[in-house]
Amino acid sequence: KQEVTQIPAALSVPEGENLVLNCSFTDSAIYNLQWFRQDPGKGLTSLLLIQSSQREQTSGRLNASLDKSSGRSTLYIAASQPGDSATYLCAIPKGAAGNKLTFGGGTRVLVKP
Amino acid sequence: DVKVTQSSRYLVKRTGEKVFLECVQDMDHENMFWYRQDPGLGLRLIYFSYDVKMKEKGDIPEGYSVSREKKERFSLILESASTNQTSMYLCASKPSGRVFYEQFFGPGTRLTVL
Repeated sequence: KQEVTQIPAALSVPEGENLVLNCSFTDSAIYNLQWFRQDPGKGLTSLLLIQSSQREQTSGRLNASLDKSSGRSTLYIAASQPGDSATYLCAIPKGAAGNKLTFGGGTRVLVKP
Repeated sequence: DVKVTQSSRYLVKRTGEKVFLECVQDMDHENMFWYRQDPGLGLRLIYFSYDVKMKEKGDIPEGYSVSREKKERFSLILESASTNQTSMYLCASKPSGRVFYEQFFGPGTRLTVL
């Protein structure tokens, strides 16, 4: 059974510092891994989807890496801003068609001005 | 852009009431999902549908049912609401055919059952 873990559960950094968010998973046979952002009381916004054949995926200040052999993905956010304050979740598809997602518990980020 | 909308942002109901949560997507996605999110428990899949009138149980289907009469609309039904169903409910959709596509989420419905 796939287990997805995000440590730490919360993180506080000063504005301008780079953010490094971790996601660990137990079963390396994955199709892809998706990173989401969630603002308080809101739905999830998809940030990046990294396929199992990729090692990195970039979008603006965001960069996600994937190392299947070690069961880890890392989301880097460069030059953090107060607007980056949110909870970040990673998720991995499961099931034959990969339609179901297993979510990590999330990392709550606070970027202080 | 994919748009997933949910009928209510906030809903307050009484124990025993029948509750309908509606979700609509505008991208012709085959797959639609209902999750609930609770502090300390994270996101858990309730039901999903891979086609009109087709459904599959998720991890926590007890106390819920679903309806998918049209491709764009997926309803979650609480037949007799209970206080332990107070939660944030999130709907999502995804294209079918390939596992490589991402899921897109709606804004969520915060349901309180008194």
